[in-house]
Order: sequence, then C-alpha cells, then structure tokens
Amino acid sequence: QAQLKESGPGLVKPSQTLSLTCIVSGGSISSGSYHWNWIRQSPGKGLEWIGEVDHSGGTNYNPSLKSRVTMSVDTSKNQFSLELSSVTAADAAVYYCARSYYSANYRSWFDPWGQGTLVTVSS
Amino acid sequence: QSVLTQPPSASGTPGQRVTISCSGSNSNIGSNTVNWYQQLPGTAPKLLIFRNDQRPSGVPDRFSGSKSGTSASLAIRGLQSEDEADYHCSAWDDRLNGWVFGGGTKLTVL
Repeated sequence: QAQLKESGPGLVKPSQTLSLTCIVSGGSISSGSYHWNWIRQSPGKGLEWIGEVDHSGGTNYNPSLKSRVTMSVDTSKNQFSLELSSVTAADAAVYYCARSYYSANYRSWFDPWGQGTLVTVSS
Repeated sequence: QSVLTQPPSASGTPGQRVTISCSGSNSNIGSNTVNWYQQLPGTAPKLLIFRNDQRPSGVPDRFSGSKSGTSASLAIRGLQSEDEADYHCSAWDDRLNGWVFGGGTKLTVL
C-alpha cells in the first residue's frame, strides 16, 4: 500500500521559487505505469492540478502554470519534486502529491494522496 | 473558475438521499470517465468513486455515481453525519491535455 508525504518550506517570499518534495513509501516510484502528480487547493477554493511526472522524468503540466513549473523524479530516493517559480500571493495553498495510473489511452484517478502541506507566500 | 461545474453547497437531513451534480463538456466528461473525491474537514481528498460508478474497497454502497453525456452525479442515500464533507468531481480533459476539477460541493448534514 503506497503512501505519499509532502515536505518543504511552509513560507516562501514573493518572486522566489517554491520547492516541495513528495516521498513515496510502500512501493517503488519506478514500478508500474504511474504518474506522480501535484495538486493544490487555495484557501476555501477547489482543487487545481499542477502537473505530472513519470518514473523516467517525462512531464506534463497544467497550461496555466506551465511557464513557471518544473517537476522531476529521483528514483534513487523514491521521491519526486515540484518547483514553482516567481510565486505570488495567488500561489498560497495546500499542496498535495498524488499517484495516478495510466495506459496508452486511459487516465485513471488519483489514489493515494499525501496529507498535504500548507505553503504561505509572504515577505 | 473551475472547468467542471458543481453546486457550491448541498444539504440534507440524516437518512435522506442527496445528489451532487457535475457538469462538463465533450472534451472532459463527454470523452472520459469521472472520479469523485471526498474531503473530510481538515484532511486530504480521498477517492470515493472511480470510473463513473465504481467504489473502492471500503466505501459504503450508500455512495453511488453515474454519468450521462457531459454530466455526472454523485448520490448519497441514507445520509449520515459523518458524510459532512466537501465533494469534488474530476475528469481528464483531452483539449487541455490535463486533469480538471469541479469547484467542490460542501455537503451539510442538518
């Protein structure tokens, strides 16, 4: 049973880069046809998908964030990461990591999810 | 502005049946399966319904999902106080080449 847990600074200054890591336990990040996702939720708002990375480092980002997002995977540490550059107050949110399964023409669902980590943007 | 449209709130009394709608378009719900997530207060979302109408192990059969055309629905029968949560629908969008969500529906058990 895979488990995911986010880690990273809870406070980021405006214009700086937000960096988060998701540690995967209970399974290898390299096994199976999985995408490793970042999803965020601004206070009192809905969920927003940020992007996905596979075990070989292939990425796919939300078009609205694509210019500022970089995702990577470290198979040796069984973890994947998110970098979001030039942050503003609008980027303050709870950030979740989650796993999804995919095949040639099918996208599945997000399961499991990490517990989430709150990121505040303030000077 | 979320790509999928959900009512912001819903309510019911214990024992009642409640439905939550999720409206999309041909590029998302019309072409792909819909998933529902339950988010209890202060916790992370949890998979509730996958592939339109399938329940993961451990989810009570009081919860059911359906899809028709570009819309989907989540139904909860025999409403219980512990069902008070936010419910989010989601689907893959072929035009955006990414996942989209509804704005979430806050369910209150009166």
